[in-house]
Amino acid sequence: DSGVTQTPKHLITATGQRVTLRCSPRSGDLSVYWYQQSLDQGLQFLIQYYNGEERAKGNILERFSAQQFPDLHSELNLSSLELGDSALYFCASSAYGTVLTDTQYFGPGTRLTVL
Amino acid sequence: GEDVEQSLFLSVREGDSSVINCTYTDSSSTYLYWYKQEPGAGLQLLTYIFSNMDMKQDQRLTVLLNKKDKHLSLRIADTQTGDSAIYFCAESMRTGRRALTFGSGTRLQVQP
Repeated sequence: DSGVTQTPKHLITATGQRVTLRCSPRSGDLSVYWYQQSLDQGLQFLIQYYNGEERAKGNILERFSAQQFPDLHSELNLSSLELGDSALYFCASSAYGTVLTDTQYFGPGTRLTVL
Repeated sequence: GEDVEQSLFLSVREGDSSVINCTYTDSSSTYLYWYKQEPGAGLQLLTYIFSNMDMKQDQRLTVLLNKKDKHLSLRIADTQTGDSAIYFCAESMRTGRRALTFGSGTRLQVQP
């Protein structure tokens, strides 16, 4: 158990809908990362938050957004869903996210199926 | 640019050693990581190596880094059926963002 929790574990929804994925980092970790794992794209970095502020962006679509709250949990919002958004979404946390020695610990993931 | 490549599949017999290879292209990499993903599970951090090291050993795991060829390998000694999983190599950058760039993963199948 990495100490990173994600809810829900599974999510099934229809095209055009909007969903919210939730992540709680390990106790004391300030940084949260979101990654998407799909069959055709592999594991891709979406976005990073550090202590409530957006720190880095990867291949995140404009239809997707995220935020990190004062209690450091994070939510990833996916809207206008398309079939191609079906994937496993991982959250990872690290102590800082700004230093060389930081290590990322991953949650169990949320499997999103768009029908 | 960032690019991490791995072979897709490796099959070994129980008790043998497994060697999973990875190549990376970004010369500014700092830490290189190995993660393990079992079916239906998240990514478990196995080990990591700093790019100024050549080797790191941790129990049954040995990581070798050839900086000249930008080649990273993970050796698992005395491979067990419980080691069957997908193994991902990942790198983080020396400067800028700390997000990881992953390879496509190597599926390790251990036959009894």
